[in-house]
Amino acid sequence: ETGVTQTPRHLVMGMTNKKSLKCEQHLGHNAMYWYKQSAKKPLELMFVYNFKEQTENNSVPSRFSPECPNSSHLFLHLHTLQPEDSALYLCASSQDQGGEQFFGPGTRLTVL
Amino acid sequence: SQQGEEDPQALSIQEGENATMNCSYKTSINNLQWYRQNSGRGLVHLILIRSNEREKHSGRLRVTLDTSKKSSSLLITASRAADTASYFCATGTNNAGNMLTFGGGTRLMVKP
Repeated sequence: ETGVTQTPRHLVMGMTNKKSLKCEQHLGHNAMYWYKQSAKKPLELMFVYNFKEQTENNSVPSRFSPECPNSSHLFLHLHTLQPEDSALYLCASSQDQGGEQFFGPGTRLTVL
Repeated sequence: SQQGEEDPQALSIQEGENATMNCSYKTSINNLQWYRQNSGRGLVHLILIRSNEREKHSGRLRVTLDTSKKSSSLLITASRAADTASYFCATGTNNAGNMLTFGGGTRLMVKP
């Protein structure tokens, strides 16, 4: 196991719902990441937090809202999503930005 | 277009054969990393090679890096059915705050 957990593993939501994805790392890392993986597209970096500070927002729509209360936890709050937001959302952590990243198992999100 | 691009997109071989995957990139890098992903799961880090290194080994894996050609290769020797997965290269650059940029991946199938 990589030491990075994600919940829930599967989520189905309507376009008007509000939900949150949770990521927790037990590795003592300083950087955490959210990625989106859609079918037949490269992994897309969404957000980066380093020492709890957001250092990257890769032009992500405001319907995705990240939160990093401490260096071990990362949330992705979802609101008014679109069907095209259906994807596998992966969380990762690394000791420092640019180093080896450890990934969680992902949350498979389906927006109806 | 994306920084790292893998070639081929898909590869099918028999157990025991060697598998070679290639990655090309466009800008100067700090390091290049290879990751593996089983279907619908998180990515697992395989190996990191720095820009001043030319070759690295880890078990049955051999990675080469040619910075003059901006390319890398991943060789898996004596493949096993359990090696069936998608393989991604990711490049880390100083210019992007050491963020990793992932390629589209190579889907490897090893037939028993």
